[in-house]
Amino acid sequence: GNSVTQMEGPVTLSEEAFLTINCTYTATGYPSLFWYVQYPGEGLQLLLKATKADDKGSNKGFEATYRKETTSFHLEKGSVQVSDSAVYFCAPMFSGGYNKLIFGAGTRLAVHP
Amino acid sequence: GAGVSQTPSNKVTEKGKYVELRCDPISGHTALYWYRQSLGQGPEFLIYFQGTGAADDSGLPNDRFFAVRPEGSVSTLKIQRTERGDSAVYLCASSLIAGGPTDTQYFGPGTRLTVL
Repeated sequence: GNSVTQMEGPVTLSEEAFLTINCTYTATGYPSLFWYVQYPGEGLQLLLKATKADDKGSNKGFEATYRKETTSFHLEKGSVQVSDSAVYFCAPMFSGGYNKLIFGAGTRLAVHP
Repeated sequence: GAGVSQTPSNKVTEKGKYVELRCDPISGHTALYWYRQSLGQGPEFLIYFQGTGAADDSGLPNDRFFAVRPEGSVSTLKIQRTERGDSAVYLCASSLIAGGPTDTQYFGPGTRLTVL
């Protein structure tokens, strides 16, 4: 069946460090792929998305590339800031499923000065 | 324009009681989704509306849960005979183009339900 596996947290980094949060999925088709972010005390916000193979989504310095061959959508940022501290969710949207998102468990990122 | 709004923001109830949670989607959005997020986990799909009808209710955990969207805009999630295990944050999302692969869901702030 369709599923998603996300890197476990928490991830603790110093400011300006490089960030990678791994996300892989299993699917019978080709889902659209999303990263959502949940800042402390706030609701879920779309961070970026990619809808077909080799697409790169980007926003706020974050990037993720849709890799069909490895069924992955890893989130990266070259230089994190304290304000990036949040919980990040990888969420494929599988075709034929009425566009329901299947969320990973979330990865908590803590960035300290 | 306003985003997705949900009321109440917090709801505390006693085991066995009935509760209603309301969602106001973004104006013009035809698709509406309910998810449930338990502590420390990602949201889990409950039900999806296209217009007034529930197109997919496969995520509803049992028949104590029911949702309506009578005029194709506001939706109400109803939970009968609440149990302590129903405690979670209930999230609502809406999207403009139902069924499209590029569809983006916009989430409300959620209703935190606590069943004592």
